[in-house]
Order: sequence, then structure tokens, then C-alpha cells
Amino acid sequence: GENVEQHPSTLSVQEGDSAVIKCTYSDSASNYFPWYKQELGKRPQLIIDIRSNVGEKKDQRIAVTLNKTAKHFSLHITETQPEDSAVYFCAARDTGFQKLVFGTGTRLLVSP
Amino acid sequence: DTAVSQTPKYLVTQMGNDKSIKCEQNLGHDTMYWYKQDSKKFLKIMFSYNNKELIINETVPNRFSPKSPDKAHLNLHINSLELGDSAVYFCASSPRGTTVGNTIYFGEGSWLTVV
Repeated sequence: GENVEQHPSTLSVQEGDSAVIKCTYSDSASNYFPWYKQELGKRPQLIIDIRSNVGEKKDQRIAVTLNKTAKHFSLHITETQPEDSAVYFCAARDTGFQKLVFGTGTRLLVSP
Repeated sequence: DTAVSQTPKYLVTQMGNDKSIKCEQNLGHDTMYWYKQDSKKFLKIMFSYNNKELIINETVPNRFSPKSPDKAHLNLHINSLELGDSAVYFCASSPRGTTVGNTIYFGEGSWLTVV
């Protein structure tokens, strides 16, 4: 089955800096990679996703890149703001078992 | 008009008790899930139902029993609660399993504390 690793586990940046979170996956057949943001005490919510036929996708200050050969994908947040502080989860679709496998999460702290 | 709603939000109970968490989605989705999030924030799937049929059953103690009376509801019953069951349990749904592009929508979570 799919295995997803996520780094770093914690990330502290100053407001206005960029933040990058990286994930690797094991199943070369995986074709869908969403990212979720979970604020303290709240539910995880989808912020961006990418399919395997695309190398990069942007939505305002966030972007995701996918390298299928290396089996890794990354979340990039530019011009970070304090409200970006949250736990971010990457996920990959396990094609064999029809489920999303989540990474272990990255706690992002943006200091004003 | 909450999309995925689960009750109760908070539950404190003693070891050995039996408890249930209920979940309902009004999105018309075919697939529903239970995820467990432990104190380290790891999100792990427990069960998945597609149109009332169990399709994923991870390595979960058989004290946990899901029930789906219809495709809009997925309840979780836990027998003989243990301290290690303390966690946040998220119900979720998606249109048709996890086919490409199908977003999973999470409920607000149920905070279970076993004392």
C-alpha cells in the first residue's frame, strides 16, 4: 500500500517569508495529491490539490509542485501571514485500496 | 446547513463504557469515512463505506463497529472503551470513493476522552 512521508514536522517562519513543505510517496501509480490545512481545534480542509498529469498548480499565494519521477510533491506558500499558522497535511491516493493516505503533518508557525 | 455533521462534539467517559458517535452528510456523497487523529495529529483512516457497503476496514480493534443505515449516515460504536481510544474522531465524505479529484470533506470532529 501507499506510504507518505512529510517533512519538516515543524516550520517557523517570519511573516512575509516563504514556506515549503515536502512529501514523498511510495506508490508510483498514485495519481491524486491533495493538501489539507487544519487550524487549531478545527477540521482539516482542502486548500489545493494536484493530479499526476500536471507538474504545478497555483492558487494565489499557494502552489503545489509534483515530480512523478522522484515521487515527491511540495507545498509552497509565499508571503506568509499569521493566519497561515496551522498544521498542513499532504496526502496521496492509494490506488490499490481506494483511499487517501495522509502524511504526518507539518506544524507551520508564522510570526508577525 | 453543515455539510458533514457529527455528534457529540465532546465526549468524556470512563474506561469500559460503550459509546457511539453519529455522522450525517447532506452533500449527496456516496462514500463516507471514519478517521482517527491521535495526540500527535496523525490522521489515520479506520473505515470507509460506499453506498452503505463496507469497503475499507483498517487494522482496528473489533471493539469499533461502524454502521451505515443509509448512504447519508455513518455511525461509529465503540465497546469497552480504553484509555488509548482517546483521540479526535473525524467523519468524512466524498462523492465516489477517492477517484481522482474527489475531495474528502471532513466533519468538525468528536473529541473523545476516556478516563
